[in-house]
Amino acid sequence: EDQVTQSPEALRLQEGESSSLNCSYTVSGLRGLFWYRQDPGKGPEFLFTLYSAGEEKEKERLKATLTKKESFLHITAPKPEDSATYLCAVQENSGYALNFGKGTSLLVTP
Amino acid sequence: EAGVAQSPRYKIIEKRQSVAFWCNPISGHATLYWYQQILGQGPKLLIQFQNNGVVDDSQLPKDRFSAERLKGVDSTLKIQPAKLEDSAVYLCASSLGLEQFFGPGTRLTVL
Repeated sequence: EDQVTQSPEALRLQEGESSSLNCSYTVSGLRGLFWYRQDPGKGPEFLFTLYSAGEEKEKERLKATLTKKESFLHITAPKPEDSATYLCAVQENSGYALNFGKGTSLLVTP
Repeated sequence: EAGVAQSPRYKIIEKRQSVAFWCNPISGHATLYWYQQILGQGPKLLIQFQNNGVVDDSQLPKDRFSAERLKGVDSTLKIQPAKLEDSAVYLCASSLGLEQFFGPGTRLTVL
């Protein structure tokens, strides 16, 4: 059973059309939940770390939230340059490895 | 601040050949990771180093994969012999705290 499940697999938005990406996780003890952005042909780019339920972080048009079972990445008024794959990863208390989901591929059209 | 450097960026080999990838982490980062990312999947950890020592290599296929980190800085990941299923992007990451910073990756194609 996957520890990290992301949905939807793919999302197409019009420019300015806000939406949310979901990351559901199952771990025995969460050290941190991480969001990354990955552009084609590049490595993942760090966005946010969330440590405890109720925590929220924002960066430009992105806002990440965390509950005990899932995290959301809210995208407000997206622009075409926000098109990328967004990866969610969890880190358990037992180690430092990141366990990634399969990602959500976001396409924002003008 | 310079990011994580990796080389080569692309490599095409025949199955059963050997290949090596190189990584130079962000200066001062004691922890270095190698991940494998198969097309359409998230990265999967292969090995984690803390300075010179291996912390976690539980998912490294040790019959064909090896890695070393000499002097606690640069690292090399080797595959010998390569199989078709090793076709993937190999990502190197480094960290000082919890956040891991990734390099651009090496795309390996095994024919």
